[in-house]
Amino acid sequence: GQQLNQSPQSMFIQEGEDVSMNCTSSSIFNTWLWYKQDPGEGPVLLIALYKAGELTSNGRLTAQFGITRKDSFLNISASIPSDVGIYFCAGQRQGAQKLVFGQGTRLTINP
Amino acid sequence: DAGVIQSPRHEVTEMGQEVTLRCKPISGHDYLFWYRQTMMRGLELLIYFNNNVPIDDSGMPEDRFSAKMPNASFSTLKIQPSEPRDSAVYFCASSPEGKSSTDTQYFGPGTRLTVL
Repeated sequence: GQQLNQSPQSMFIQEGEDVSMNCTSSSIFNTWLWYKQDPGEGPVLLIALYKAGELTSNGRLTAQFGITRKDSFLNISASIPSDVGIYFCAGQRQGAQKLVFGQGTRLTINP
Repeated sequence: DAGVIQSPRHEVTEMGQEVTLRCKPISGHDYLFWYRQTMMRGLELLIYFNNNVPIDDSGMPEDRFSAKMPNASFSTLKIQPSEPRDSAVYFCASSPEGKSSTDTQYFGPGTRLTVL
């Protein structure tokens, strides 16, 4: 099925570093969502974005809804070990319940 | 509040056997979704229901897959007969009616299916 282009696919960083990942699409979405999936668990919603240009924070996480409505990014500041996991972006069109997911970014933090 | 509940958490079966996965959505949620996750294909929507009625089953791989939602608090995804390529993690998710900007999907813990 259709997927968003999410990058990078994987990241290997040192604890304390900042992290940045993004999603792009060839079509417009009205809602962008960022999820995190821990091993053996389902995705958990981190941040939801509903307006173009919107910048939203959740603790050390910051996400933005691109002006063109075709992209979004997620930043994590001062990474800690519990940030390890797979991060997914998802887009939702106006009036639609279906989510389109990115391929995921696997974050690994080196001790 | 209890989240989405799925059972079993793990299922190992042999090729040709029938497999039934179960889901209890969050109480009050009107939408229920079944997803499949694999390394190769990522998260794929299989089917979703609104008020117990299937709305879009275009993601169901083939006739071996079927899903039902007999009431607002229970849904099943059945594979009969199962094949090794069905091995994946199957997620159920639910969401409330989209009347506010905070409505989105909440995922269960998943069922890891292995077909030998």
